[in-house]
Amino acid sequence: QQQVKQSPQSLIVQKGGISIINCAYENTAFDYFPWYQQFPGKGPALLIAIRPDVSEKKEGRFTISFNKSAKQFSLHIMDSQPGDSATYFCAASRSSYKLIFGSGTRLLVRP
Amino acid sequence: DGGITQSPKYLFRKEGQNVTLSCEQNLNHDAMYWYRQDPGQGLRLIYYSQIVNDFQKGDIAEGYSVSREKKESFPLTVTSAQKNPTAFYLCASSMNRDTQYFGPGTRLTVL
Repeated sequence: QQQVKQSPQSLIVQKGGISIINCAYENTAFDYFPWYQQFPGKGPALLIAIRPDVSEKKEGRFTISFNKSAKQFSLHIMDSQPGDSATYFCAASRSSYKLIFGSGTRLLVRP
Repeated sequence: DGGITQSPKYLFRKEGQNVTLSCEQNLNHDAMYWYRQDPGQGLRLIYYSQIVNDFQKGDIAEGYSVSREKKESFPLTVTSAQKNPTAFYLCASSMNRDTQYFGPGTRLTVL
């Protein structure tokens, strides 16, 4: 119930394409869903986050889509760029300080 | 220049030795966290502290210890009881229960 399942494990996209990463959760008490971006050898950085009262949130080229009934949320990266090549983690929390992280998706954007 | 600092960046330890990883923040955040990251895996919570002089075990606390004597500092000791300590260790802090900001990490290698 505490798990967050993330897919795919790795993703290769051509420059200008759309990158889509999916996450699923079981615990309906989760009420905060952030996405983090991590470059090799660095700490993760918050990219975008959503709460279950909205179905979509957009910030620049990054969009979170949230499906409460299916208990799924996804990250869409529009017009993907080589600089977006990184590992992306979804996470969830339920009114606490404990974030539960997905296993990560390694994205490679080819020029 | 506000942020989270972790030192050292790389740390080597012989088997059977305890080692302490430093984490300092000047963001005036109340909460601090320690995560462990292994290759191809997500982040796993070791310990977290919501307030000075108080901390709670995370999901993988065995073989680790922490202290929180000052708001700015949250050192992590990896003891000899930790059976597989080689990993990338990340410290984070947050003002509220949601947005966690990460440091650059310490890579620990046991020789």
